[in-house]
Amino acid sequence: GQQVMQIPQYQHVQEGEDFTTYCNSSTTLSNIQWYKQRPGGHPVFLIQLVKSGEVKKQKRLTFQFGEAKKNSSLHITATQTTDVGTYFCSNSNSGYALNFGKGTSLLVTP
Amino acid sequence: NAGVTQTPKFQVLKTGQSMTLQCAQDMNHNSMYWYRQDPGMGLRLIYYSASEGTTDKGEVPNGYNVSRLNKREFSLRLESAAPSQTSVYFCASSRSSGANVLTFGAGSRLTVL
Repeated sequence: GQQVMQIPQYQHVQEGEDFTTYCNSSTTLSNIQWYKQRPGGHPVFLIQLVKSGEVKKQKRLTFQFGEAKKNSSLHITATQTTDVGTYFCSNSNSGYALNFGKGTSLLVTP
Repeated sequence: NAGVTQTPKFQVLKTGQSMTLQCAQDMNHNSMYWYRQDPGMGLRLIYYSASEGTTDKGEVPNGYNVSRLNKREFSLRLESAAPSQTSVYFCASSRSSGANVLTFGAGSRLTVL
């Protein structure tokens, strides 16, 4: 299946700082999804990107899909302690099931 | 509306013991999945069921079996547990196999001694 690589693996920021995580693939992706998992919790779907160059926003979160559809990013503006968790990107494998990246764990210090 | 319910939430087994993780969804979803999550490894697909009556292997199926009992229920069985199967197991469901919005259960933490 199509493998997605996420960087960084960990990020520690002060509350109010911005945060960005990247999801990269060596092959063209048909789509990409982003999930968030709070500590001790389960992954929760955030958004799906399908179109080349697509940008979607959810309040302080901005999601981008690269023009070549080989990378994606999630940017959080002015982080809050509620943003703590692990952010996963995923893509569908031949339309049957999702392959997940290893995730970026975000720690926000007040 | 419960969504996806997994049982048990915690389990400790000895090497060689068997057990079944249960999963049920009440969203009338067609597709169901079992993932395992290990530190630094992300979520890895064990088995999935695209629709009632079908099951297929994922990335890490060895040591596991599954049963799609009906449209609602998808169980994961460990016939002879090994320490390498110590993990957090997540069941998930989606409207169809082509739908990429998964709803996850709360997870089952399994420790094999």
